[in-house]
Amino acid sequence: QVQLQESGPGLVKPSQTLSLTCTVSGGSISSGGYYWTWIRQHPGKGLEWIGYIYHSGSTYYNPSLRSRISMSIDTSKNQFSLKLSSVTAADTAIYYCTRVDCSGGSCYYYYGMDVWGQGTTVTVSS
Amino acid sequence: EIVLTQSPATLSVSPGERVTLSCRASQSVSSSLAWYQQKPGQAPRLLIYDASTRATGIPARFSGSGSGAEFTLTISSLQSEDFAVYYCQQYNDWPPWVTFGGGTKVEIK
Repeated sequence: QVQLQESGPGLVKPSQTLSLTCTVSGGSISSGGYYWTWIRQHPGKGLEWIGYIYHSGSTYYNPSLRSRISMSIDTSKNQFSLKLSSVTAADTAIYYCTRVDCSGGSCYYYYGMDVWGQGTTVTVSS
Repeated sequence: EIVLTQSPATLSVSPGERVTLSCRASQSVSSSLAWYQQKPGQAPRLLIYDASTRATGIPARFSGSGSGAEFTLTISSLQSEDFAVYYCQQYNDWPPWVTFGGGTKVEIK
């Protein structure tokens, strides 16, 4: 059974870079048919997608965050990572890593976000 | 951007009751809609995709219906473990676009 676990600092200073890593266990991150994803949830609010990465390294970023985001994947460690630069208080949220189950060319057929990490709370404050 | 509106925002229900949650899209999303359940302090859990297909391991009391811009999640007989917030998600423009609704909280009456 595939499990995801987020790790990274819980407190980041304004203007600095938020860095999170998601470790995949119970399966290979190199398996096709999945996009590895970051989602965040502001306190007491709904869910927002941040970005996706395929095992090949191809990425999609939310346009509202694109200028500040970088995602990477390390297949040797079975991990993928998020960097969000120039953070402000508005980036305070619970950050989840998750897996999009998909199939077909370019992973066109979407079957939902079927595996989630437990989430990690990141607070932006001086 | 496609906006999803969920109603009601909060629903007070007694265990054993039938529950119907609504999700309305600002434009047609065909059947490209999923439902998630989130309990306090936990990550969301996938319940339904393609509007009506239950995800692996989801009990049969959960069912989804609808197409176009109007969708419904029904819980046939609410169990104690079903008190949670439920989110709909559309993926009509996947990849990469997905958007979530604002959620419906199902609480104990």
